[in-house]
Amino acid sequence: GAGVSQSPRYKVAKRGQDVALRCDPISGHVSLFWYQQALGQGPEFLTYFQNEAQLDKSGLPSDRFFAERPEGSVSTLKIQRTQQEDSAVYLCASSLRDGNQPQHFGDGTRLSIL
Amino acid sequence: RKEVEQDPGPFNVPEGATVAFNCTYSNSASQSFFWYRQDCRKEPKLLMSVYSSGNEDGRFTAQLNRASQYISLLIRDSKLSDSATYLCVVNHRAGNNRKLIWGLGTSLAVNP
Repeated sequence: GAGVSQSPRYKVAKRGQDVALRCDPISGHVSLFWYQQALGQGPEFLTYFQNEAQLDKSGLPSDRFFAERPEGSVSTLKIQRTQQEDSAVYLCASSLRDGNQPQHFGDGTRLSIL
Repeated sequence: RKEVEQDPGPFNVPEGATVAFNCTYSNSASQSFFWYRQDCRKEPKLLMSVYSSGNEDGRFTAQLNRASQYISLLIRDSKLSDSATYLCVVNHRAGNNRKLIWGLGTSLAVNP
């Protein structure tokens, strides 16, 4: 597709459920990033992939958060045993090569934990 | 001290005004710098990269001062459509880690 595609756009889950968020980056983009954005805040970096390699996961807030990009294209962010504080917009971005280049964002997934 | 700091605003300016936003960063190893624009409930969109020599794109001018660890964005002849939040982004590399640090954003409202 022409841009970064994320699904679902909205997700409501009960506390304790597991959720999976999908990101389809721009075709050919090597780097993929996940961010968490709370209301009124800037995006907070979660993790970064270069192709299928997860080079930086220092931003993942707990071991309940897991991301993968097994074939170097589509990525999934999984949150296990969701908590209310996980409620946020999860943004995915891709860039052509590395993190020193501009990133193109998807529309985000708005996650609400009840 | 936050790694990237911006004045949150809001900045309220009339159409046609010139407005400047500042951003400071704490890590001298930072390599790349960007300004993004984010409209309410939308994803961030790249406004412009920031180069050491300064760069201009139409009504927008970005400057970088590495010695002072300071980035600026100047908007001339502001339009109603410039109303948004402007996010300063700094990227530095430590080994395989690429720390991508975003400011909280500066809110701009351009009024008729």
